[in-house]
Amino acid sequence: NAGVTQTPKFRVLKTGQSMTLLCAQDMNHEYMYWYRQDPGMGLRLIHYSVGEGTTAKGEVPDGYNVSRLKKQNFLLGLESAAPSQTSVYFCASSPGDRYNSPLHFGNGTRLTVT
Amino acid sequence: DQQVKQNSPSLSVQEGRISILNCDYTNSMFDYFLWYKKYPAEGPTFLISISSIKDKNEDGRFTVFLNKSAKHLSLHIVPSQPGDSAVYFCAFTSIQGAQKLVFGQGTRLTINP
Repeated sequence: NAGVTQTPKFRVLKTGQSMTLLCAQDMNHEYMYWYRQDPGMGLRLIHYSVGEGTTAKGEVPDGYNVSRLKKQNFLLGLESAAPSQTSVYFCASSPGDRYNSPLHFGNGTRLTVT
Repeated sequence: DQQVKQNSPSLSVQEGRISILNCDYTNSMFDYFLWYKKYPAEGPTFLISISSIKDKNEDGRFTVFLNKSAKHLSLHIVPSQPGDSAVYFCAFTSIQGAQKLVFGQGTRLTINP
């Protein structure tokens, strides 16, 4: 049982390059999320999805786009990477059936933008 | 405008003693409160939670306390064990709202043998 899988685990980009982070979950969860973690700031919500084909903005959405074409996958895109996007990115999923279902997190993608 | 504050970036406790981690919040709309634990190179994992209608919830060595009037959340770990060494995040959400969590900054707990 893999849970939530994020690829890649590490990536170095140059300013202006683009990339896509992939999140896959095998728990048939309805809700999925992308967070970023920066030193001294905890985790902040970038975008989320409450079902296949739906997406919504979180707290820090600027510079990112997302897509949820299949229920099990949630993609996070950076169209033109900036040094301020250097961070650790975490994907999470939840059944969405009740408010107290814990979120399940992947192990993160460490992104460096030079 | 930080809605959630964990004022202690780090905490060091001797094995066997009590660890107390604290969190303060400002948003009165929060009605469900959680603690997550994170080891290096791993994602956060759920530890314990409490709803706004309670003031205490226990799960083995872990107890979470909620003081709504003071807008204060705490986590007690008794007795502390070396495997408890990790970063602890408090997290808050509203029952209405797609389980969007607002996280604190984290406290690095180190348990010394």
